[in-house]
Amino acid sequence: NAGVTQTPKFQVLKTGQSMTLQCAQDMNHEYMSWYRQDPGMGLRLIHYSVGAGITDQGEVPNGYNVSRSTTEDFPLRLLSAAPSQTSVYFCASSKGQVIRETQYFGPGTRLLVL
Amino acid sequence: KQEVTQIPAALSVPEGENLVLNCSFTDSAIYNLQWFRQDPGKGLTSLLLIQSSQREQTSGRLNASLDKSSGRSTLYIAASQPGDSATYLCAVMTTDSWGKFQFGAGTQVVVTP
Repeated sequence: NAGVTQTPKFQVLKTGQSMTLQCAQDMNHEYMSWYRQDPGMGLRLIHYSVGAGITDQGEVPNGYNVSRSTTEDFPLRLLSAAPSQTSVYFCASSKGQVIRETQYFGPGTRLLVL
Repeated sequence: KQEVTQIPAALSVPEGENLVLNCSFTDSAIYNLQWFRQDPGKGLTSLLLIQSSQREQTSGRLNASLDKSSGRSTLYIAASQPGDSATYLCAVMTTDSWGKFQFGAGTQVVVTP
């Protein structure tokens, strides 16, 4: 199993540009989520999904969109990038019984918005 | 709103000493608490998961305790090694926020040879 994979590893955007951060898992996990990590602030939940076709907002959803058309993929879209979205983005997944299951994290995507 | 705090933010210990890492949370109505390790420039690796009905979990040199009434969890790492140098984060899921994990900012640990 490849686990949780994220692409790209690093991206530079100009303010106003849009892009999609890719996340995929091959463990047949129902629960997937996106976090951003900023210095001194830990990880903050952006969006999460409990299965294909079902998504919900986390703590900091503004400026981000998600969709879950398949169990394997959970892309994160930045509609109009802003410097405040400069961060490291992590995707995570776990089995459906999320209160009993550990989360598996991807290696992260470093995003710089100029 | 759940607040998760990890103090201290950084810690340095000599090799062989036991590590004690703290995690505090304000809302005791939680489903679970997880401890993670993060190496520089890497993703997070799950260490231990404690469900709300449990008092502790153990894995090798790691032991995590949970005291919901006081809103605290402690991660013990016995006989620390330089390879234990990393940032350790805790995360909780509150019962009124199913599916949403709240993370602490982490404790950066350096184990010196």
